[in-house]
Amino acid sequence: NAGVTQTPKFQVLKTGQSMTLQCAQDMNHEYMSWYRQDPGMGLRLIHYSVGAGITDQGEVPNGYNVSRSTTEDFPLRLLSAAPSQTSVYFCASSPPGALSNEQYFGPGTRLTVT
Amino acid sequence: LAKTTQPISMDSYEGQEVNITCSHNNIATNDYITWYQQFPSQGPRFIIQGYKTKVTNEVASLFIPADRKSSTLSLPRVSLSDTAVYYCLVGDPQTGANNLFFGTGTRLTVIP
Repeated sequence: NAGVTQTPKFQVLKTGQSMTLQCAQDMNHEYMSWYRQDPGMGLRLIHYSVGAGITDQGEVPNGYNVSRSTTEDFPLRLLSAAPSQTSVYFCASSPPGALSNEQYFGPGTRLTVT
Repeated sequence: LAKTTQPISMDSYEGQEVNITCSHNNIATNDYITWYQQFPSQGPRFIIQGYKTKVTNEVASLFIPADRKSSTLSLPRVSLSDTAVYYCLVGDPQTGANNLFFGTGTRLTVIP
């Protein structure tokens, strides 16, 4: 199993550009989430999904869109990039039903908006 | 979201036992206590989880008092490779990822 994969690893955008961060998992996990981590800070939840076709907002959803058309993929779209969105983005997945808060994280995408 | 309070940083010498305490005064009945480890430039990694009393695995032990308002992560005989940020989270596993708050964690530095 590849686990949780994220592409690209690095990205530089100009203010106003849009792009999609890709996230995929091959563990058949129902739950998937996107977090951002700013320098020296913890992770903040952007959006999450409890299954295909179901998404919801987290703590900091503004400026981001998500969709979940398949169990495997959970892309994050930046609609109009702003310097405040410069951050490291992590995708995570977890299986439902188990009495566990264990999430599996991807390697992250480092985004810089100039 | 139930939030937690941890020390910002700790230093320890190699070979020592390290105890990181986390305060979670507003923990709910169905919440579990979970600890993650994060190395630089990597995503967090699950270490251990517990509900009450003591849990031990091959990496760490987790001590939870009866009132569950705090918990202590214990790392036995740390090595340089244990230098990382450690996050304490509380949340109900049955409600999924939306109720996990990572906070800023505790930056552990292991000194040779």
